Amino acid sequence: KAGVTQTPRYLIKTRGQQVTLSCSPISGHRSVSWYQQTPGQGLQFLFEYFSETQRNKGNFPGRFSGRQFSNSRSEMNVSTLELGDSALYLCASSSGAGGGEPQHFGDGTRLSIL
Amino acid sequence: GQQVMQIPQYQHVQEGEDFTTYCNSSTTLSNIQWYKQRPGGHPVFLIQLVKSGEVKKQKRLTFQFGEAKKNSSLHITATQTTDVGTYFCHGNKLVFGAGTILRVKS
Repeated sequence: KAGVTQTPRYLIKTRGQQVTLSCSPISGHRSVSWYQQTPGQGLQFLFEYFSETQRNKGNFPGRFSGRQFSNSRSEMNVSTLELGDSALYLCASSSGAGGGEPQHFGDGTRLSIL
Repeated sequence: GQQVMQIPQYQHVQEGEDFTTYCNSSTTLSNIQWYKQRPGGHPVFLIQLVKSGEVKKQKRLTFQFGEAKKNSSLHITATQTTDVGTYFCHGNKLVFGAGTILRVKS
């Protein structure tokens, strides 16, 4: 069974630009969650999608948005990039039925803002 | 909102020594999960605890869930260099602890 796939693996952008990250979950998994990981802040929850609906949302500004498609693939968009958005963005999928199932992480997208 | 505190932030041990990380929640947890992230890697699921007072073992790793379901611990006996990484607890779906970074000196 293929794991969670995130693309691209690395991305360099400049301030003010926008970026879209993609996540393909494990086949059969309907829940996709996004996290931002930085050295000083650990894993910060961004949002969770289940069956194309945002089920939970973390405390991030509206510049961070996401969506999920009917095949469970998910995208995350960050607009008007700031230097502080430099981080590893991790996507995790789970079966999602109850919301507390183990999560399977992708390798992440490392975003650098210049 | 719910908070999960994890201590210590960092621990450097000699190979063969034991290691313990603790996770404490401000609210009762329905379950708790533990993950390990190797340097340069992504978090990998280790185990899930659901019942009050539950204890589970995986080889040298022992996981405990407190009676009040507000705290948990991960204990590694006789650490090895392969244990290096960051250990995260994850409670009630959304909140991850800040993680404990484990370094092992050989």
